[in-house]
Amino acid sequence: DTGVSQDPRHKITKRGQNVTFRCDPISEHNRLYWYRQTLGQGPEFLTYFQNEAQLEKSRLLSDRFSAERPKGSFSTLEIQRTEQGDSAMYLCASSSGLLGRGYSGNTIYFGEGSWLTVV
Amino acid sequence: AQSVTQLGSHVSVSEGALVLLRCNYSSSVPPYLFWYVQYPNQGLQLLLKYTSAATLVKGINGFEAEFKKSETSFHLTKPSAHMSDAAEYFCAVSPYNQAGTALIFGKGTTLSVSS
Repeated sequence: DTGVSQDPRHKITKRGQNVTFRCDPISEHNRLYWYRQTLGQGPEFLTYFQNEAQLEKSRLLSDRFSAERPKGSFSTLEIQRTEQGDSAMYLCASSSGLLGRGYSGNTIYFGEGSWLTVV
Repeated sequence: AQSVTQLGSHVSVSEGALVLLRCNYSSSVPPYLFWYVQYPNQGLQLLLKYTSAATLVKGINGFEAEFKKSETSFHLTKPSAHMSDAAEYFCAVSPYNQAGTALIFGKGTTLSVSS
């Protein structure tokens, strides 16, 4: 168990560029979540996968954002045409759980996050 | 909609003093409640969770929290603060057996510990 791994840890990009973040969850975990955290705020939910199926998306996830989990293992979060307001830490988390959207009772483990700075 | 409110964005204590971080939740059904800790430039680590078993929950690093339905509260306490406890603490709620986001976080409380 190596924990939830995120890459890159830091990314500086110019406004208008596209960026992609990768998350490798704990290997046996079938649930994967993406959150966004800005300075002075708690994490805000973006999207949730059960295996390869994206079951829920937050209204924060504008059409410039897309997330995938093609084989039910690692996931990517892409932001197109980045804006300065996208500057934040993007957190990935994973857990095990039965099918469905409700909390499974199992611990949700977070990665160390990917910092995005848009200049 | 479920939500949590953390009272006090910043709490300062002396080393050895009692730590009390406040969290009130809003939920129409019995929720699951959590406390997470975040150290600088790191992700979140689970301190403890309430899942409708015992109302007094013990967590890691000497922390505990008590679920009080009548007060809709889930305050985090530690009898004696240590310098290493300085961090950001987040309370979170997950509605029991309902569709929706897994965790909804409060805005966090920064704990400072002075010697």
